[in-house]
Amino acid sequence: QKEVEQNSGPLSVPEGAIASLNCTYSDRGSQSFFWYRQYSGKSPELIMFIYSNGDKEDGRFTAQLNKASQYVSLLIRDSQPSDSATYLCAVHRGGADGLTFGKGTHLIIQP
Amino acid sequence: KAGVTQTPRYLIKTRGQQVTLSCSPISGHRSVSWYQQTPGQGLQFLFEYFSETQRNKGNFPGRFSGRQFSNSRSEMNVSTLELGDSALYLCASSLAGSGWNSPLHFGNGTRLTVT
Repeated sequence: QKEVEQNSGPLSVPEGAIASLNCTYSDRGSQSFFWYRQYSGKSPELIMFIYSNGDKEDGRFTAQLNKASQYVSLLIRDSQPSDSATYLCAVHRGGADGLTFGKGTHLIIQP
Repeated sequence: KAGVTQTPRYLIKTRGQQVTLSCSPISGHRSVSWYQQTPGQGLQFLFEYFSETQRNKGNFPGRFSGRQFSNSRSEMNVSTLELGDSALYLCASSLAGSGWNSPLHFGNGTRLTVT
């Protein structure tokens, strides 16, 4: 049973601070990892993906992957109220498998 | 470039009926995946199509089926609807299927309510 675990939150972070979102996965065969953002009533939108151990930065967002610990995280620097959303972690084993999603972390950025 | 288009946006059906949902992928994308999203279970993979062939199927009963046409448009069908089928159904397209080199782009979804 492939599982992706996230703290459901809400995670409350003051504006301008760093928001840290965490995700663990059970399938050691997972090869690629994705972070999606979903605003209430909207569809998920891709923020970034990572497949190698270490950090990957894109603007204010940094994804971190540690395959040995089966752990992936997303850091949002200089958090803005517009970052308030549910953040979904997803993993992919490879091949024709679909993505396995966590249930998401609800992030609230307080002005 | 137009995004993924799903129709209809909202549907209300009665138990026992069947429903067909439609998805038009981003131009040039050959893979279409379908996901069910509910508050309790989150996003769950239904199936993926690539070049008119189903490549994989999630853990859903046979009442859930789909197909893909030669223009990459896809339809999903649910027969003998149950109350538990009420959910947001999301279609996602990608260039070549799920994976690091082919991220998914989601449509706005079809909200299905079964009464």
